[in-house]
Amino acid sequence: QVQLQQSGPGLVKPSQTLSLTCAISGDSVSSNSAAWNWIRQSPSRGLEWLGRTYYRSKWYNDYAVSVKSRITINPDTSKNQFSLQLNSVTPEDTAVYYCARWSGRKTNMDVWGKGTTVTVSS
Amino acid sequence: DIVMTQTPLSLSVTPGQPASISCKSSQSLLHSDGKTYLYWYLQKPGQSPQLLIYEVSSRFSGVPDRFSGSGSGTDFTLKISRVEAEDVGVYYCMQGIHLPPTFGQGTKVEIK
Repeated sequence: QVQLQQSGPGLVKPSQTLSLTCAISGDSVSSNSAAWNWIRQSPSRGLEWLGRTYYRSKWYNDYAVSVKSRITINPDTSKNQFSLQLNSVTPEDTAVYYCARWSGRKTNMDVWGKGTTVTVSS
Repeated sequence: DIVMTQTPLSLSVTPGQPASISCKSSQSLLHSDGKTYLYWYLQKPGQSPQLLIYEVSSRFSGVPDRFSGSGSGTDFTLKISRVEAEDVGVYYCMQGIHLPPTFGQGTKVEIK
């Protein structure tokens, strides 16, 4: 059974970097058939996909246009996890952040982490 | 980006009665491979979204058969044949044909 365990701080100061980690059990971050996503949810934006990382003989990333200049998603094969970094945060980045596995076009994002509430405030 | 529009935004249902949620996409979700990439998720209170329906009408593992999905192209419907107390939460449709995946605004289902 695939599980995703999220970790990271719940409070980040404006202009600093939001950093979250998603540890994978039951699957591999290097899987040739999965992709590893970050999604956030806020009252103003609803559910918003932020980006993903995946391995198909080499590593690829896709990012949402709205955060493309500020986001990095990295795999960590030694720990079987992936991370989210969002730079130069503002209060508008306050949200619940989820990691999720994409297992293919058929079932898309079928496993989600429990979510991390991140507040951007001084 | 593809815009997903759900109606209604809230629904109050008597247990044992049916419920229906509509989802419309701004572009067709029919792929050249013949599949339609429309999904339904349920977010129960305090939980993360969980996959209910994939490819319009297929129930994900463990999903009760009182849930059914239908539709084609740009118009889709999720039906609950007999609502139970455990079905409360917010239901989202999502498209997976083009990046970025986009979600509807959500439909909050509560029990009368």
